[in-house]
Amino acid sequence: DAKTTQPPSMDCAEGRAANLPCNHSTISGNEYVYWYRQIHSQGPQYIIHGLKNNETNEMASLIITEDRKSSTLILPHATLRDTAVYYCIVRGVTMYSGGGADGLTFGKGTHLIIQP
Amino acid sequence: DTGVSQDPRHKITKRGQNVTFRCDPISEHNRLYWYRQTLGQGPEFLTYFQNEAQLEKSRLLSDRFSAERPKGSFSTLEIQRTEQGDSAMYLCASSLESGRVRRYNEQFFGPGTRLTVL
Repeated sequence: DAKTTQPPSMDCAEGRAANLPCNHSTISGNEYVYWYRQIHSQGPQYIIHGLKNNETNEMASLIITEDRKSSTLILPHATLRDTAVYYCIVRGVTMYSGGGADGLTFGKGTHLIIQP
Repeated sequence: DTGVSQDPRHKITKRGQNVTFRCDPISEHNRLYWYRQTLGQGPEFLTYFQNEAQLEKSRLLSDRFSAERPKGSFSTLEIQRTEQGDSAMYLCASSLESGRVRRYNEQFFGPGTRLTVL
């Protein structure tokens, strides 16, 4: 799985859009970009994933650059409850072979702090 | 609550003791994962099961760590002869995988078990 680079921390004002960047310059053609977040004292929570097209769901939008070397997670109207560590993960589609590591590879993520 | 549950939520033990943690996945999920998370770090993958088969265990941190999922439902993670360096949050996750191609892999995480080794 390709390595990702994220800023260690970011601030955002409540009600504004939070834009979290992620660099994944070594991503290969069959690797997806996933985002998870972890609120303090909880397990990680899936947010969104994408391959090459922009994606949107009820939680967030994911913008992937045309060369797929970077992406941005957008929380359109951040609230205090969005304060969390956000992890960008790159992961390939694999054929089930009954073996091999299948866990997610988390980095240190970005600690997003929403300010009131 | 139909999410992933873990028990206990907190465990304090003395160095050298054995500890066992339990994870109950979402009922229809066939894959179950264990992770360890130390302070300031992201979760670190340890092992996973497809039904009752343990498909990856080379990432377990040492031979003191073992995991089981005997009936393909709940799982246990055991640490023998605990050391202070084992103090961490132990997370369990589950997912539903079907077919030969993993199209995406949303894993649902439990709240974790926080282990403190004195």
